[in-house]
Amino acid sequence: LAKTTQPISMDSYEGQEVNITCSHNNIATNDYITWYQQFPSQGPRFIIQGYKTKVTNEVASLFIPADRKSSTLSLPRVSLSDTAVYYCLVAPPGSSASKIIFGSGTRLSIRP
Amino acid sequence: GAVVSQHPSRVICKSGTSVKIECRSLDFQATTMFWYRQFPKQSLMLMATSNEGSKATYEQGVEKDKFLINHASLTLSTLTVTSAHPEDSSFYICSARDWGWTTNEKLFFGSGTQLSVL
Repeated sequence: LAKTTQPISMDSYEGQEVNITCSHNNIATNDYITWYQQFPSQGPRFIIQGYKTKVTNEVASLFIPADRKSSTLSLPRVSLSDTAVYYCLVAPPGSSASKIIFGSGTRLSIRP
Repeated sequence: GAVVSQHPSRVICKSGTSVKIECRSLDFQATTMFWYRQFPKQSLMLMATSNEGSKATYEQGVEKDKFLINHASLTLSTLTVTSAHPEDSSFYICSARDWGWTTNEKLFFGSGTQLSVL
């Protein structure tokens, strides 16, 4: 199982770009990388998913280098409402939930 | 995106009573749902996998007789915490897998249930 490592916490200010990096050194060939966002007292919310290179949607971008041993979630121009915990998950499609391990996540705090 | 509805959002009960939490997939059929618990400032921990029409699969260390799971239809799974005790107080979250219109897999989560046992 690919284990992920993220910074425990990060601070930034409104309007800044925030990049959260996740290490997954033993990622398998068929693993996808998925990021979730969780606000206090709510369930996690899907943000973005990718396999290689770059993926962009209306919320964020995901950068994955060629060796896929890490990935970076990029949040452009953050606001106070982006304060949340961000989880990086690595798992192959069709895997059982027991194979989808939630790491400690990154607690992002945005200040005015 | 797919919607998973979870009720109640908050429940307070007396020690020894049972509490039922419902998880519904509103716009897709979920043959598999998952139940997690989360303590304050900690990550999600998978408790069990709920399969429609069959018995749930529990993770190691989770008491199946205490946390009863029923998945009688393709859109509803329930978790019943039996004879609840203060140490069962936690945030419980359900999720369902949606294959949807993409080839990639996504998990969609309910809004969670905060259980407080007095």
